[in-house]
Amino acid sequence: AQSVTQLDSHVSVSEGTPVLLRCNYSSSYSPSLFWYVQHPNKGLQLLLKYTSAATLVKGINGFEAEFKKSETSFHLTKPSAHMSDAAEYFCVVSEDNDMRFGAGTRLTVKP
Amino acid sequence: DAGVTQSPTHLIKTRGQHVTLRCSPISGHKSVSWYQQVLGQGPQFIFQYYEKEERGRGNFPDRFSARQFPNYSSELNVNALLLGDSALYLCASSLGWTGYTDTQYFGPGTRLTVL
Repeated sequence: AQSVTQLDSHVSVSEGTPVLLRCNYSSSYSPSLFWYVQHPNKGLQLLLKYTSAATLVKGINGFEAEFKKSETSFHLTKPSAHMSDAAEYFCVVSEDNDMRFGAGTRLTVKP
Repeated sequence: DAGVTQSPTHLIKTRGQHVTLRCSPISGHKSVSWYQQVLGQGPQFIFQYYEKEERGRGNFPDRFSARQFPNYSSELNVNALLLGDSALYLCASSLGWTGYTDTQYFGPGTRLTVL
């Protein structure tokens, strides 16, 4: 069965500096991969998804992620953090009818 | 356009009781999925329904059941509630069902507290 590991439970950055949220996955074959964001008291919002097309995926709000099969990784990046990026981020792997979420990474953005 | 809506927003029950949670998908979406998110953890998949048929089931006991109605809305039922059922229950809808490559849109969730 597929699984996903988010390597950092908490990441803290200063406003204007780059963001890196790390995600490793395991899968029997070619998975679909997603990043979702969850702001306090709001529903989950899709940032981006990878479905075996281009390995570099661009999402909303300046986020992007690169699928690296050799490293089984799907790290999320953003060149410059904004205060509004502070939230919980979830990496998700999907196979067949099963969607597995990581435990989440809480991103804090300092002024 | 209205997004995914869920009711109620909050719910408090006692152990052994039964609960029904409701979800209305985005207009035109035919698939609804349910997730349980325990505090401090990522959501866990419970069920997926497409065209009123169960298409996927996560690792949850038979106390959990769901159904989808002809208008594509859905109910999640939990019987014999346990303290460990306390969680945020999320509903997500998507246009179709293609092994989860379809984008899922999530509702705000129902916060269930079991005392």
